[in-house]
Amino acid sequence: KNEVEQSPQNLTAQEGEFITINCSYSVGISALHWLQQHPGGGIVSLFMLSSGKKKHGRLIATINIQEKHSSLHITASHPRDSAVYICAVSPEGGGGADGLTFGKGTHLIIQP
Amino acid sequence: GAVVSQHPSRVICKSGTSVKIECRSLDFQATTMFWYRQFPKQSLMLMATSNEGSKATYEQGVEKDKFLINHASLTLSTLTVTSAHPEDSSFYICSARGVRGRPVYEQYFGPGTRLTVT
Repeated sequence: KNEVEQSPQNLTAQEGEFITINCSYSVGISALHWLQQHPGGGIVSLFMLSSGKKKHGRLIATINIQEKHSSLHITASHPRDSAVYICAVSPEGGGGADGLTFGKGTHLIIQP
Repeated sequence: GAVVSQHPSRVICKSGTSVKIECRSLDFQATTMFWYRQFPKQSLMLMATSNEGSKATYEQGVEKDKFLINHASLTLSTLTVTSAHPEDSSFYICSARGVRGRPVYEQYFGPGTRLTVT
């Protein structure tokens, strides 16, 4: 079973700062997901990636398959970015048919 | 596209009663739906995998007779918590995959259902 570790667990930053959240996993995967969970609990899928780098607006996600590591970056952070960011992985070889294994999440607070 | 809905969003029930939670894929056919739960301040955990027209596959430690899953159509899966107890109080989230032409690992999440058992 994959072990998914995220760091930091909690992060408080000032508006405008560049944010980096890290995720490492122990076993090969077919894909890695970055999710955003707001206080009400609803989950939004930010990125699904199996290699390289993806960018959407102020968010950038990278993955290094050899090192089993991914990072989520937020540029020009804003208070509305405050949320829990969760890393999750799809197991290798399952063809996506298996459920995800989740990290414990990073609680991000952006102060004005 | 690829919207997943859940109903209800919140439910409070008495101990010993049963509660049904619906998960619908609104604009695509979901060949597979997953059910997760999240206890306070803990990470999401997979409960079961539901494939249309077949029995659900449950994760170790999840009682299949207590958490009944039915995936009767390509757009609907239901989770019924039978004889609910206060320890079943949790946040239940479904996700779905199967968008035609998209990678198989893509999953789309419902908004979640917060269950409180009194």
